[in-house]
Amino acid sequence: GDSVTQMEGPVTLSEEAFLTINCTYTATGYPSLFWYVQYPGEGLQLLLKATKADDKGSNKGFEATYRKETTSFHLEKGSVQVSDSAVYFCALIMNYGGSQGNLIFGKGTKLSVKP
Amino acid sequence: NAGVTQTPKFQVLKTGQSMTLQCAQDMNHNSMYWYRQDPGMGLRLIYYSASEGTTDKGEVPNGYNVSRLNKREFSLRLESAAPSQTSVYFCASRIRDREENTIYFGEGSWLTVV
Repeated sequence: GDSVTQMEGPVTLSEEAFLTINCTYTATGYPSLFWYVQYPGEGLQLLLKATKADDKGSNKGFEATYRKETTSFHLEKGSVQVSDSAVYFCALIMNYGGSQGNLIFGKGTKLSVKP
Repeated sequence: NAGVTQTPKFQVLKTGQSMTLQCAQDMNHNSMYWYRQDPGMGLRLIYYSASEGTTDKGEVPNGYNVSRLNKREFSLRLESAAPSQTSVYFCASRIRDREENTIYFGEGSWLTVV
């Protein structure tokens, strides 16, 4: 079935370091891809998304490019801040076919940024 | 714009008690969802409703029931709570449109069963 695999954490970085969180997916159809962020004690917020191959989603300095050839959607940020400390979830939703309509999540990657 | 609103935010139950988690969305979305979040497991789908009047089981439906009361509201009921149902529950909604495929989440309900 459809699935998402993301790198396990926790990831600990110093402020201003470069961030990459890897995410790969398996899908029988044509998914849209998402990154959600969850700050401590809060719900999930959409960080960015991409709906088709080669699309780049971006928000708040974070970027991810939909790579169909490698079935990947890696999250990157050039210079992290302490306020970026959170859990990041990669997810997909099928546009049609497969598990249409249901958001399938990776297990989350906890990021801690030290001053 | 409230988005997705779920209540209560925190609840402690005794084993065997029942309760209902309420969820409402004001975005005129067709589909609604209930997820649970457990450490190391990510989010798992409990039930979903593709449209008013329909509900379907997700990955982990056992011990839960749902009701899609109308287009706005989708409730989750625990008939006889068990400690294994201690979790954070998220309601979500989505408009069924190929161009707008984003799912929006409520702020979560922290449930502890003792």
